Amino acid sequence: RKEVEQDPGPFNVPEGATVAFNCTYSNSASQSFFWYRQDCRKEPKLLMSVYSSGNEDGRFTAQLNRASQYISLLIRDSKLSDSATYLCVVTLDTGGFKTIFGAGTRLFVKA
Amino acid sequence: GAGVSQSPSNKVTEKGKDVELRCDPISGHTALYWYRQSLGQGLEFLIYFQGNSAPDKSGLPSDRFSAERTGGSVSTLTIQRTQQEDSAVYLCASSFGLGGETQYFGPGTRLLVL
Repeated sequence: RKEVEQDPGPFNVPEGATVAFNCTYSNSASQSFFWYRQDCRKEPKLLMSVYSSGNEDGRFTAQLNRASQYISLLIRDSKLSDSATYLCVVTLDTGGFKTIFGAGTRLFVKA
Repeated sequence: GAGVSQSPSNKVTEKGKDVELRCDPISGHTALYWYRQSLGQGLEFLIYFQGNSAPDKSGLPSDRFSAERTGGSVSTLTIQRTQQEDSAVYLCASSFGLGGETQYFGPGTRLLVL
């Protein structure tokens, strides 16, 4: 089982749609959680951190359920510019420090 | 201020040659990370530095891979006796603190081993 698993995608949605991405992680000792965005042939960039209380940034809402080891990202009123790959990221202290990226879910928003 | 920079941006080499990839983190960032991303794949964690030390080297794919960081700043990733399967984009990131903070990525080095 992969340490971080995401919906395989791709997701093809029309502009204005609401889309939800799911992610599960296997290590209960995971400490920090993030969603990153990666555009084609570009480096990943932080979209938002994810907290147990849930957090919202404009059209984006992230949720963390530690009991179920589950992270979600909701995008409302999707725009063409939201087309990208969304990466679920988990960090854990292994005596050192390790960051694990999910394989990503590709989103295509169509006009 | 300047972001994370990496050099070279592209590298083509022949199988069996050694290559050295460089990363300049954001000034003041104590943590530095190396990842590898093969075409169409997710990011594979390679190694992380806190200052000049690397507490976790378990992600390095083989003993042909090594990395160092000097002066708490610049890092180099060296691949000896390159193989075709080493072809990938090598990404470097840095963050301000020990962990759990935002990682800022460089543009990557695209390595092609012929």
